[in-house]
Amino acid sequence: GAGVSQSPRYKVTKRGQDVTLRCDPISSHATLYWYQQALGQGPEFLTYFNYEAQPDKSGLPSDRFSAERPEGSISTLTIQRTEQRDSAMYRCASSLGPLDEQFFGPGTRLTVL
Amino acid sequence: DQQVKQNSPSLSVQEGRISILNCDYTNSMFDYFLWYKKYPAEGPTFLISISSIKDKNEDGRFTVFLNKSAKHLSLHIVPSQPGDSAVYFCAASDGGSQGNLIFGKGTKLSVKP
Repeated sequence: GAGVSQSPRYKVTKRGQDVTLRCDPISSHATLYWYQQALGQGPEFLTYFNYEAQPDKSGLPSDRFSAERPEGSISTLTIQRTEQRDSAMYRCASSLGPLDEQFFGPGTRLTVL
Repeated sequence: DQQVKQNSPSLSVQEGRISILNCDYTNSMFDYFLWYKKYPAEGPTFLISISSIKDKNEDGRFTVFLNKSAKHLSLHIVPSQPGDSAVYFCAASDGGSQGNLIFGKGTKLSVKP
């Protein structure tokens, strides 16, 4: 596609529910990043993929968070047993390679009630 | 045309001296700027940000300067340490901290002992 897309754009869920967020990167891009952004803050790195490999997931805040990119294209970020503190904007970005310019998607605004 | 430009692909500095990383932008609507640091096999680490209402923001060894009239910002690292050797990305947003981020192509900093 022309740019990075994310779905849903907004998600409201109840505490304890699982949520899955989706990212469609630019089709030629090998590298895909997930970020979490609290209100008024810059995006904080969660994890990234090179194709389907996941070299770094050090930013994931707990084992409730996991990400997949099984075929090296679309990626999902899953948060299990959501907590109110998980409420944030979740942003996806892609780049040609790990040291190339990143292009961001519009983000998914998650609200946990 | 690139909206965020880092014209120096690389920079080499002696340990203990100042590193100055530069970034220029073309969009006068940008109102929030960030710097990220990235090691080759890891995800980007958020370093420091600045909003357009300020012209300086300092955090430890890192200081970001913003010159709105020149559409220029810079990251100063003092004193530079070998562990600072990484690629540094400048990013800008026209929607505050929640806006879409436009990244530069990065500058590779090498700090020599």
